[in-house]
Amino acid sequence: EADIYQTPRYLVIGTGKKITLECSQTMGHDKMYWYQQDPGMELHLIHYSYGVNSTEKGDLSSESTVSRIRTEHFPLTLESARPSHTSQYLCASTRGTGGEYGYTFGSGTRLTVV
Amino acid sequence: RKEVEQDPGPFNVPEGATVAFNCTYSNSASQSFFWYRQDCRKEPKLLMSVYSSGNEDGRFTAQLNRASQYISLLIRDSKLSDSATYLCVALQGTGGFKTIFGAGTRLFVKA
Repeated sequence: EADIYQTPRYLVIGTGKKITLECSQTMGHDKMYWYQQDPGMELHLIHYSYGVNSTEKGDLSSESTVSRIRTEHFPLTLESARPSHTSQYLCASTRGTGGEYGYTFGSGTRLTVV
Repeated sequence: RKEVEQDPGPFNVPEGATVAFNCTYSNSASQSFFWYRQDCRKEPKLLMSVYSSGNEDGRFTAQLNRASQYISLLIRDSKLSDSATYLCVALQGTGGFKTIFGAGTRLFVKA
């Protein structure tokens, strides 16, 4: 039973389109994250939030933006999609002060930009 | 050099075998460690935390060696359902500010 939901599950979109990947969690976690993962590769942090109105960029340079207006909702937006954005995007949340209790991940969005 | 390194495998083992994975980390400031399991085209799921004294959860045993900066995962009596990619994770800084994921070790358990 998922407590963190991502939509859409798969998305194929043309170059230059604006897209928003949705992420919602029902656990009341303050900390939420967006990771990018290519096949067979490690996860790279692209954005994180420690609570409402708090957003930070992660280690991976990204042309995306995020917002955190509500605790449960952490959408990621690409203003102009490019083929280099083709990847899997994973949303995660955690309780506590960091990841010491482990992360709960959503099922991911597989994005293909053509 | 990657901050968390794992042998990508794949490890191909028969059912019932014992298999061990190692993971090395380069930053001695790493505080906490975890193993995650990721099935093909699925999201990672927390398998177990790794404690300094070592810990066991059923067929799975995790060990931490701070002096040599590596952690290990031992799986006994492998099942077909253990086939997955196992991700090593290190948290750096107090409060787990920075989380580093390894690229994972692939395991295939054969009948």
